[in-house]
Parts: sequence; structure tokens; C-alpha cells
Amino acid sequence: GQQVMQIPQYQHVQEGEDFTTYCNSSTTLSNIQWYKQRPGGHPVFLIQLVKSGEVKKQKRLTFQFGEAKKNSSLHITATQTTDVGTYFCAVHLRAGNNRKLIWGLGTSLAVNP
Amino acid sequence: NAGVTQTPKFQVLKTGQSMTLQCAQDMNHEYMSWYRQDPGMGLRLIHYSVGAGITDQGEVPNGYNVSRSTTEDFPLRLLSAAPSQTSVYFCASRRVPGTDYNEKLFFGSGTQLSVL
Repeated sequence: GQQVMQIPQYQHVQEGEDFTTYCNSSTTLSNIQWYKQRPGGHPVFLIQLVKSGEVKKQKRLTFQFGEAKKNSSLHITATQTTDVGTYFCAVHLRAGNNRKLIWGLGTSLAVNP
Repeated sequence: NAGVTQTPKFQVLKTGQSMTLQCAQDMNHEYMSWYRQDPGMGLRLIHYSVGAGITDQGEVPNGYNVSRSTTEDFPLRLLSAAPSQTSVYFCASRRVPGTDYNEKLFFGSGTQLSVL
């Protein structure tokens, strides 16, 4: 079953509004990554969070890693049409002797100009 | 650096045909992988490799073969295409992380495959 829940599945905002997507896991995570995929494009790495409670900013994007390292969020302030796309979280989970990269199903963001 | 290069960008096959999707990277990455992306299913790992001569199965390996004879190349073979293999395929690579835990994945631009 899905080990990483990402919500919401879709979000439609007016340009200038804020946007947040959440990624939740039932297990403690070693790290979490966020990617952006533009329509018709390929996923592009945005950031990796490693430390409990970590907060990182990239211009209008703010990434947080929960204190318990079980959840994360990506917040966009004052969305622009260039923010349109699908945002994925990806986490490494241990499976036996291996580590597997598990992907959330993504949040698709649409921005009305 | 070109990064991760995938060919072809588009392909239409008939059921039962075989083909190879090519992937090459020029970043000297040890780790390479193939994903398929279907609506509502997210990214699913098909096969991966942690170095030349080493490959392993991912989440959805059936119907696909891979080999890794060089660090640069990681082709994906469809032995007998089926309509269920209609999808967008992405190749991705990264270096094996050191103490910085940097596991950033670099993706190719994708191959849109239709099997009729």
C-alpha cells in the first residue's frame, strides 16, 4: 500500500494566493526530497531535508521537515503562473537490507492568472 | 555536461514488438534507474543499477530487461510490448551519496511510449 501520503491531490489557486502541499509517513524518515514536474516535463529536484525540524527557503518556496521526521510540507507564497506543475515528495524507506525511494503521488497545482 | 539523455522521445509499437529505450549520463553517476509514470500512479521504479555489471529489480520489473555494461549507459528493453506498457518512461541517475547524504536524482526528459 501507499507508504507516503501526499495531500492534497489537486489545488487550484488564483495567482498571488499561497499554496501548501503536505507529505506524511507512518514511519520515521531518514530524509525527504521534493521535486517539481512541469506539464509535459520531467521531475526536477528542488531540495532534500535531513534534520528534524529543518526549515529551508528558496525564494518564495519554504520547505519544512517535522520534528518527528514523519512529515514535511512545501509552502509557496504568492503563487505565480510559473509555479504550475506537480510537486512530489520522495522518501527513503528501509526494505530488508536495502533502502528504497518511495514517491508520493504528487500534488498538481493550477494557477489562474 | 548534457546530464541524462534519453532516446527516443516518442515511440509507437504494436503488441508483441520489442524495442530498447536508451539512457546515457555524463556525470559519472554510479546509480541509474528507470521509472514509469502513469496517471494517478505516480512514479514507479522498474529496474535500477548501482554500478556497471550490477542491476536489480524495482517495483514493476515484469516485461522489462536491463543491463549495465558501462557506467554511462543503462538501456531498458521491452521484450514483447503489451498495451499495459503504454506509459511515460524516465531514466534517472545520481551519485552514491557520501557523508553529505546528497541523493539528488537527475532525470532525463522522458520517452512517451504507446503500445497498440
